[in-house]
Amino acid sequence: EAEVAQSPRYKITEKSQAVAFWCDPISGHATLYWYRQILGQGPELLVQFQDESVVDDSQLPKDRFSAERLKGVDSTLKIQPAELGDSAMYLCASSPLEGVYTDTQYFGPGTRLTVL
Amino acid sequence: AQTVTQSQPEMSVQEAETVTLSCTYDTSENNYYLFWYKQPPSRQMILVIRQEAYKQQNATENRFSVNFQKAAKSFSLKISDSQLGDTAMYFCAFMDSWDAGNKLTFGGGTRVLVKP
Repeated sequence: EAEVAQSPRYKITEKSQAVAFWCDPISGHATLYWYRQILGQGPELLVQFQDESVVDDSQLPKDRFSAERLKGVDSTLKIQPAELGDSAMYLCASSPLEGVYTDTQYFGPGTRLTVL
Repeated sequence: AQTVTQSQPEMSVQEAETVTLSCTYDTSENNYYLFWYKQPPSRQMILVIRQEAYKQQNATENRFSVNFQKAAKSFSLKISDSQLGDTAMYFCAFMDSWDAGNKLTFGGGTRVLVKP
């Protein structure tokens, strides 16, 4: 069964350092989402792509966060510089643009970031 | 903006018994989708069940069923014949069907512990 892949699974970094997370959605899924999930809370959308275009990045802290999906397939989320408050789980999800399940998002295992 | 509230931070249930999780939401829209997602410990989030607001019939998926009360803006999840594998965080989520990007708004989650 196809799954959303994310790497690394765990990342520990010191504040002010740069970090990057990678996501490979399910093949054929045009829509890709990055969420941030603080421990004990529900996920919050950071950025959404349709193919290579950003659909929604209204909650992305653009002074330090950036995201790209250059070829409309895999995606990278970067934080520079990392701050203590960025410690969280970063989830990637994808969904198809056509068919019956366009409203269903499929999640990856996440990257747990710890900023020291 | 839509909000989703889960008022029960944690619930425990004996194996084979039934547990009901509460969810309320706030929206001015008439057409939308509601979801329950399950996040097992250290595993990825998966869809449990979905409900379309224009359908009066409550959705069911095997041991999982919902009680959708549109006027009250309530969407509870019932887990019947609870199994140890049901132990997880459960998130209620809202999607505005008219939203261009199928954005999900999550509640804060309910931790369910199934005891043997």
